[in-house]
Amino acid sequence: GQNIDQPTEMTATEGAIVQINCTYQTSGFNGLFWYQQHAGEAPTFLSYNVLDGLEEKGRFSSFLSRSKGYSYLLLKELQMKDSASYLCAVRYDSWGKLQFGAGTQVVVTP
Amino acid sequence: GAGVSQTPSNKVTEKGKYVELRCDPISGHTALYWYRQSLGQGPEFLIYFQGTGAADDSGLPNDRFFAVRPEGSVSTLKIQRTERGDSAVYLCASSSPAGQMSSTDTQYFGPGTRLTVL
Repeated sequence: GQNIDQPTEMTATEGAIVQINCTYQTSGFNGLFWYQQHAGEAPTFLSYNVLDGLEEKGRFSSFLSRSKGYSYLLLKELQMKDSASYLCAVRYDSWGKLQFGAGTQVVVTP
Repeated sequence: GAGVSQTPSNKVTEKGKYVELRCDPISGHTALYWYRQSLGQGPEFLIYFQGTGAADDSGLPNDRFFAVRPEGSVSTLKIQRTERGDSAVYLCASSSPAGQMSSTDTQYFGPGTRLTVL
């Protein structure tokens, strides 16, 4: 299978910035998604990248480098409610099924 | 509008029993996906429907797992002779408004069914 790697856990202070990296195998790449998942809840869509560069959506930005097989999710002005797991997911074919990383648990401290 | 709904939210069963999990996708979404998620892991793909047909069932772990979507809307995931290793949260997602297959095709997830096999 195609390994999708992201750190297990990150801790940051309220108001700070955190960057969550994701690396993936490039062969067959057809799009990368970031989801947020609070404990016991459904994953909710945050961002989508298919071309190189930065996509900005309010406090959240996502970057993609297809040649490097690398993406990051940047969370700015952290709030307590941002404490959650952040899932990197890659689509490898045209049908849309996603391969997920194990998720990065972000802990925001006061 | 209404999101993806799944029933039951929790299901506890005994080893060897049969279970059915239901997913009601967002109205008009033609694509439907089943994933399962174990504690501390990301969702793992099981099966994908486009309309009534299973376009990709490569993620089903064995022949005890089966899914249907007879009218192209609601889907049921069926698990026979359940085993303790089947315990997980089963997630359903839907995407692509009818008549469109864009490259984004964002998948919207339901709240999941937590299955516990004793």
